[in-house]
Amino acid sequence: EAQVTQNPRYLITVTGKKLTVTCSQNMNHEYMSWYRQDPGLGLRQIYYSMNVEVTDKGDVPEGYKVSRKEKRNFPLILESPSPNQTSLYFCASRRHSTNEKLFFGSGTQLSVL
Amino acid sequence: AQKVTQAQTEISVVEKEDVTLDCVYETRDTTYYLFWYKQPPSGELVFLIRRNSFDEQNEISGRYSWNFQKSTSSFNFTITASQVVDSAVYFCALSEAEGGYNKLIFGAGTRLAVHP
Repeated sequence: EAQVTQNPRYLITVTGKKLTVTCSQNMNHEYMSWYRQDPGLGLRQIYYSMNVEVTDKGDVPEGYKVSRKEKRNFPLILESPSPNQTSLYFCASRRHSTNEKLFFGSGTQLSVL
Repeated sequence: AQKVTQAQTEISVVEKEDVTLDCVYETRDTTYYLFWYKQPPSGELVFLIRRNSFDEQNEISGRYSWNFQKSTSSFNFTITASQVVDSAVYFCALSEAEGGYNKLIFGAGTRLAVHP
């Protein structure tokens, strides 16, 4: 089944404790992206990647890192989480050369205390 | 600057009523795509439709229909004979050619509650 898999689904952590949210897709998609969803703001792009070793900032990259060492994986790293990073996070992917729809993961609800 | 506005924060209807969700967008690009996504209570994002800027034909899919009007920069979504299963948050989104289609710009979403 074609899918984007994010883990964990829920995460509670404390300020300053490094964490990684994993994202993996099985569709051989070149393009992958991370979004965060906040009430009243919709979804905002954090980072995106057009292919292996090619990443770029979205609209709200501060406090986040990403890496794309393999085509299927695109982890989101919070080196020193803060309470304002409490949010619902979505990973997404699609083929790069088109503007097809994005396939989204199920989301990761992160709470930073 | 590019922007998507969904002015209706929440809508509440009774089953079988028709309901229209508004979406107004801003872009300087002449080539762009518009999308609607549904987010049911379970939280996942479900793709509903994609429309490119050169295709102003309205679209109907079952009880769903979309009205794209470039003259008013609107891409409204109508649900006919609403059902409880339509209860969800609905997002309108814009993707521009100038940005290489590398970003989806989302509206804030409209929460639709359909009551029995």
